[in-house]
Amino acid sequence: GAVVSQHPSRVICKSGTSVKIECRSLDFQATTMFWYRQFPKQSLMLMATSNEGSKATYEQGVEKDKFLINHASLTLSTLTVTSAHPEDSSFYICSAGGTSGGYNEQFFGPGTRLTVL
Amino acid sequence: QKEVEQNSGPLSVPEGAIASLNCTYSDRGSQSFFWYRQYSGKSPELIMSIYSNGDKEDGRFTAQLNKASQYVSLLIRDSQPSDSATYLCAVRTSGGSYIPTFGRGTSLIVHP
Repeated sequence: GAVVSQHPSRVICKSGTSVKIECRSLDFQATTMFWYRQFPKQSLMLMATSNEGSKATYEQGVEKDKFLINHASLTLSTLTVTSAHPEDSSFYICSAGGTSGGYNEQFFGPGTRLTVL
Repeated sequence: QKEVEQNSGPLSVPEGAIASLNCTYSDRGSQSFFWYRQYSGKSPELIMSIYSNGDKEDGRFTAQLNKASQYVSLLIRDSQPSDSATYLCAVRTSGGSYIPTFGRGTSLIVHP
């Protein structure tokens, strides 16, 4: 399957700071990237969907001004958590999908564990 | 509203047994079906995809799809303790959108 990388894998920051998470599809061009959040022992929650070169589509209840998503190229999407607070502490996972290169599935990155103090 | 239902479990099976995981979905227009495995603290990993009715086998895993009954299942033969994880079912409708709908997952415990 396709390889999706995510950086950083773990970040600890102070309340009020902003954190940027990068998601890269390494061996295929991802027409669509997804950002999920998962709290301990809970299911995946889709935050937003982004297509290259266009604005992200956010799920209901997700603040677009707080979670900034940029999908600048077919291989890179970033999620910036602005003015992070302790309640934003979670496991953030990106995934990439697309038909380019023949992939019809969705592949997940390894995730970023964010802890806000 | 598109729904994907899974029994949260845990499903407990002895080592060497067959584990059977089930998933039902509400959208009859669904075309693509996926099973992911998620270990605790890790991100989901794609293990099977199936697109047409019937069985699809890959090693110890068999995915079964029945569109008329709107269910998809995953069988794990010769279960191993390393198979202990949460298994997520994902369903995607046809068309340009790649937004899949995920079930909440079934926790599988394989005990020695």
